[in-house]
Amino acid sequence: SQQGEEDPQALSIQEGENATMNCSYKTSINNLQWYRQNSGRGLVHLILIRSNEREKHSGRLRVTLDTSKKSSSLLITASRAADTASYFCATEASGSRLTFGEGTQLTVNP
Amino acid sequence: DTAVSQTPKYLVTQMGNDKSIKCEQNLGHDTMYWYKQDSKKFLKIMFSYNNKELIINETVPNRFSPKSPDKAHLNLHINSLELGDSAVYFCASSRGEGWEEKLFFGSGTQLSVL
Repeated sequence: SQQGEEDPQALSIQEGENATMNCSYKTSINNLQWYRQNSGRGLVHLILIRSNEREKHSGRLRVTLDTSKKSSSLLITASRAADTASYFCATEASGSRLTFGEGTQLTVNP
Repeated sequence: DTAVSQTPKYLVTQMGNDKSIKCEQNLGHDTMYWYKQDSKKFLKIMFSYNNKELIINETVPNRFSPKSPDKAHLNLHINSLELGDSAVYFCASSRGEGWEEKLFFGSGTQLSVL
């Protein structure tokens, strides 16, 4: 079964607002990654957070990881229309390959 | 320069036909993958090759046959296409065993079986 489940499935916000997406998973992991997929394109790696890390930043992205709750969140601050895309979390666990969640469709309205 | 390139981008074909999708990466990675993305955007791994050797085959029908002539190429051949094969197929690569599995994806091949 899928390792990652994302919430919400869809999110619509206005430009300039912050967007928060959540990911929950079931088993212990080595790391958790977030990817972005623009319409009609392949996935692009955004950020990786290891199991011993709690928070990571990259530009306007902030990722948190709570291994006790088996959950992660991706925060995009000061969103732009160009941030409109699907966002996927993916988990890497020992002995298994990267497993993707179902994704959150983010729409940023100008 | 495109890091992971796959061709064709669109493939429209009749049921029962045989078709191939090609993939090449110029990142020097050891591991390559094929993923299938369905209409609900669920992404499922099909195959993984490490240095031309098959390491994952995720219960994919044997109508799907990957071929890796060298570690920079992983092609996907599909025999006797069925309606349910319609999906977007993504090739991806990563550095390989012993490294964190950070994937680089191609832009996808939209396969439509009529």
